[in-house]
Amino acid sequence: NSKVIQTPRYLVKGQGQKAKMRCIPEKGHPVVFWYQQNKNNEFKFLINFQNQEVLQQIDMTEKRFSAECPSNSPCSLEIQSSEAGDSALYLCASSPHFNQDTQYFGPGTRLLVL
Amino acid sequence: GDSVTQTEGPVTVSESESLIINCTYSATSIAYPNLFWYVRYPGEGLQLLLKVITAGQKGSSRGFEATYNKETTSFHLQKASVQESDSAVYYCALGGVDTNKVVFGTGTRLQVLP
Repeated sequence: NSKVIQTPRYLVKGQGQKAKMRCIPEKGHPVVFWYQQNKNNEFKFLINFQNQEVLQQIDMTEKRFSAECPSNSPCSLEIQSSEAGDSALYLCASSPHFNQDTQYFGPGTRLLVL
Repeated sequence: GDSVTQTEGPVTVSESESLIINCTYSATSIAYPNLFWYVRYPGEGLQLLLKVITAGQKGSSRGFEATYNKETTSFHLQKASVQESDSAVYYCALGGVDTNKVVFGTGTRLQVLP
């Protein structure tokens, strides 16, 4: 079973508020991914890191999200100004290698933007 | 682009019946993607069920099987005799493409009746 830890499990914010969630990857996993799963169960890749460095991110993430994976601290994903459409399950995954390997998922943070 | 299409749920079967959940994929970024089945049990996080990285090979776990068929670009999940504890949402996915993120299907909810 995965040992990826995500907090909080649930997050409720008003529109325009910041929403921040955290992820502790499995020990020894240098690669971290964030996904958004919407109410239609569609997954959207948001951003990934190798150690502290951003590898790829989509436009939405670059413009509206702030994400980091500092050394010796949890990774975080923060929406700067929440919108109703941001309501979703945010999944963090980690992997021991970047290329073609299994990802281990946390339980997710369910965000509701009122 | 890369995509995964799977059986729309919910799928309802009785205990000890056989099961097949269809999955087909399109991978334009890489000729031989890795193929996965992930499962989310009620109240739990997404976890890997099985993974196959070589075309023609079969993966198996917990009584489930899936064969990587490159000719039909399929990776159907099968089980000869389901149990009530198999009730969950099953996600077909492909990995190792483009940015090495995982591309998921939208999931198939399975309900096994006692």
